[in-house]
Amino acid sequence: SQTIHQWPATLVQPVGSPLSLECTVEGTSNPNLYWYRQAAGRGLQLLFYSVGIGQISSEVPQNLSASRPQDRQFILSSKKLLLSDSGFYLCAWNPIGAGAFFGQGTRLTVV
Amino acid sequence: QKEVEQDPGPLSVPEGAIVSLNCTYSNSAFQYFMWYRQYSRKGPELLMYTYSSGNKEDGRFTAQVDKSSKYISLFIRDSQPSDSATYLCAMRITAGTASKLTFGTGTRLQVTL
Repeated sequence: SQTIHQWPATLVQPVGSPLSLECTVEGTSNPNLYWYRQAAGRGLQLLFYSVGIGQISSEVPQNLSASRPQDRQFILSSKKLLLSDSGFYLCAWNPIGAGAFFGQGTRLTVV
Repeated sequence: QKEVEQDPGPLSVPEGAIVSLNCTYSNSAFQYFMWYRQYSRKGPELLMYTYSSGNKEDGRFTAQVDKSSKYISLFIRDSQPSDSATYLCAMRITAGTASKLTFGTGTRLQVTL
């Protein structure tokens, strides 16, 4: 069966520090992968999606970037975090003809 | 106007009640509709996935889509305290994996003993 792993679960980082969140998917090949951010009362905002290695589409301009160095690995990064980057970050993938499946999320607090 | 509207709640019901959760949307191109359950500090979990109009039942859960009214519902029968969570609706235009999901903001449900 397919599973999606995301880590760390919780992260507290100072303003100006770098960020790296990792997501991996098991049990499938060439998945479409997504990074979302969830803010209270604002639903899920799509940040990036990737249809293959090295292929990244950005949905909104921001202080973050994404990379896909391997087929089942998706990384969310920042060179210098801002206070406004705080939030709950979710990685997801979806098979054809189904809804997206999410990881357990990373709660990021920038202090 | 948001593409998908969802009452944030909270909605509080006694155990055993029938719960009705709803979303309205403005884009008539949406064809695929989903409901997710999200417990606090966890990722959303896919509950129901439906295509076009009609009903779909899975155990205590029934998803209903009325495309003519641009209105979708999730019914929970015999609600349990373990159903206490935030419920998110989501929808997409095509089934293709690159088709993006548009989410509601979620309704918080509390089932009391």
